[in-house]
Amino acid sequence: DQQVKQNSPSLSVQEGRISILNCDYTNSMFDYFLWYKKYPAEGPTFLISISSIKDKNEDGRFTVFLNKSAKHLSLHIVPSQPGDSAVYFCAATNNAGGTSYGKLTFGQGTILTVHP
Amino acid sequence: DAGVIQSPRHEVTEMGQEVTLRCKPISGHDYLFWYRQTMMRGLELLIYFNNNVPIDDSGMPEDRFSAKMPNASFSTLKIQPSEPRDSAVYFCASSKDRRPLTDTQYFGPGTRLTVL
Repeated sequence: DQQVKQNSPSLSVQEGRISILNCDYTNSMFDYFLWYKKYPAEGPTFLISISSIKDKNEDGRFTVFLNKSAKHLSLHIVPSQPGDSAVYFCAATNNAGGTSYGKLTFGQGTILTVHP
Repeated sequence: DAGVIQSPRHEVTEMGQEVTLRCKPISGHDYLFWYRQTMMRGLELLIYFNNNVPIDDSGMPEDRFSAKMPNASFSTLKIQPSEPRDSAVYFCASSKDRRPLTDTQYFGPGTRLTVL
């Protein structure tokens, strides 16, 4: 049962254009969402996060949007650069505490390729 | 800081053999996580520890998998006996207990396991 889904296995974008990566979730208890970036032969690294009390969080070229009613979040990269080519994982968790505290549920990942 | 260290980086073994993956977390981190990455399911949490104590092992696929954390600087994930469907990349991650916890997970480079 995939509670976090990234339905697009891959995305190809031209340098300078916008990249939009999408993620859907099913668990209403999730209240904190994250994006991780992974290069080949490396572990994932944290990119940006958003709490469920917000609908947008921005960090430089990266913006995450959260639509709670649709249980959907997206990551926008503007402008896209060739160095952004990587696998992007969406993740979700419940920060309320208890045994689920700190437990991340990841999506399958989307391979982003930015062409020069 | 050396980051999270995993060994070996690559492991090729035959079906039925015992496999042991090793992890050294970042010094001072309270939490340690073991993940598995496959094409079909993305990143799955297998088990995590807090102060060397297993907190949640609900992601461990079956009894062939076991994990230990004998001290704050070392953890192992063991598969016995191994099967071809265990082939995947196994990641270890660690974090310091601060709120929110989840955006501070640091991943190791992973161990690519191939079971023939």
